Amino acid sequence: GDSVTQMEGPVTLSEEAFLTINCTYTATGYPSLFWYVQYPGEGLQLLLKATKADDKGSNKGFEATYRKETTSFHLEKGSVQVSDSAVYFCALSDLNTDKLIFGTGTRLQVFP
Amino acid sequence: SQTIHQWPATLVQPVGSPLSLECTVEGTSNPNLYWYRQAAGRGLQLLFYSVGIGQISSEVPQNLSASRPQDRQFILSSKKLLLSDSGFYLCAWETGGQAGELFFGEGSRLTVL
Repeated sequence: GDSVTQMEGPVTLSEEAFLTINCTYTATGYPSLFWYVQYPGEGLQLLLKATKADDKGSNKGFEATYRKETTSFHLEKGSVQVSDSAVYFCALSDLNTDKLIFGTGTRLQVFP
Repeated sequence: SQTIHQWPATLVQPVGSPLSLECTVEGTSNPNLYWYRQAAGRGLQLLFYSVGIGQISSEVPQNLSASRPQDRQFILSSKKLLLSDSGFYLCAWETGGQAGELFFGEGSRLTVL
């Protein structure tokens, strides 16, 4: 079945460093892809999404491009802040059920 | 605007005791509703989803159950908790036209001792 694989964390960075969190997926067809963020003690929030190949989702300085050739949706940010410290989840929308399938999450820790 | 609330936020229960977690949504009608569990060191596991009143689909066999007595109310229950039920429970809703765009509640942290 469909699945999402994320890099294991934690990812530890200094403020203003470049961030990449890898995400690859396995799916039949071309599902919509999402990044969700979970700040400490809170529920998840949608960060960005892409609905078709070569689409780039962006929000709050974060970007991710839907790469059909490599079945990837890596999350990037040019300069992270301490406030970006959170757990980031990659997800896809199963075309048959419309339900979200989440990766295991990657914890990002940013230090000043 | 739409809001979603869960309670209680934190719960400590002994093994074998019952459970009731409640989730309500405001500002929308006929939402799809979901219960997820986030266990320590693991990702999000879909437990139940509902497309309407009284309509519940279970994703994982377990000792939990869900009910939807009203359009915007979703309840997660157990008659007898197990240690393995500990985790962070998240309720979420989505509108029919935006598949995959979920709006999550604040979560309920359950510790079973």
